Amino acid sequence: AQSVAQPEDQVNVAEGNPLTVKCTYSVSGNPYLFWYVQYPNRGLQFLLKYITGDNLVKGSYGFEAEFNKSQTSFHLKKPSALVSDSALYFCAVRAFSGAGSYQLTFGKGTKLSVIP
Amino acid sequence: DSGVTQTPKHLITATGQRVTLRCSPRSGDLSVYWYQQSLDQGLQFLIQYYNGEERAKGNILERFSAQQFPDLHSELNLSSLELGDSALYFCASSVGGGRADEQFFGPGTRLTVL
Repeated sequence: AQSVAQPEDQVNVAEGNPLTVKCTYSVSGNPYLFWYVQYPNRGLQFLLKYITGDNLVKGSYGFEAEFNKSQTSFHLKKPSALVSDSALYFCAVRAFSGAGSYQLTFGKGTKLSVIP
Repeated sequence: DSGVTQTPKHLITATGQRVTLRCSPRSGDLSVYWYQQSLDQGLQFLIQYYNGEERAKGNILERFSAQQFPDLHSELNLSSLELGDSALYFCASSVGGGRADEQFFGPGTRLTVL
């Protein structure tokens, strides 16, 4: 069965500094990896995905993620954090779950706080 | 705005009761997914429908059921409610059911069981 780990419950970063939100995964076969963001009292918003190809994936709002197969990681990054980036971030992996279906499994989420 | 709508936004009910949550997917999306988000369990996949048929099942209790109608909207039925069912329930939709498809989430229904 597939799984996702987000080792940090909370990440604090100063505005203007680079940020990293960590994610590692476990899956049989090739992973399809996703990052979502959740603002308070809102649904999840899609940020970016890795399917195949270039290990550096660029997404919405200036975010990018680096896929590392040997380390089974998919860390989310941004060169310069904004206060408005403060939110809950979820990493997810989608893998085959039988009978032609693909289940999306989420990590527990990392709360990002950007300090002015 | 993702284009996915969910009603109601909030629902307060008592133990033992039955409720129905409704979801309308984005225009053109054939797949609908239901998730439960709680503090202790995190975000858990419940069930997926594709074009009216059940496609995948996750951690859905037997007291819960869902269906997708011909107009592609979906309903999640929760019965014999317990205190532990209190959670945020999200619906998501995608164009197809393939694993590369990103899912678009609705704003959620917050269920409180007293």
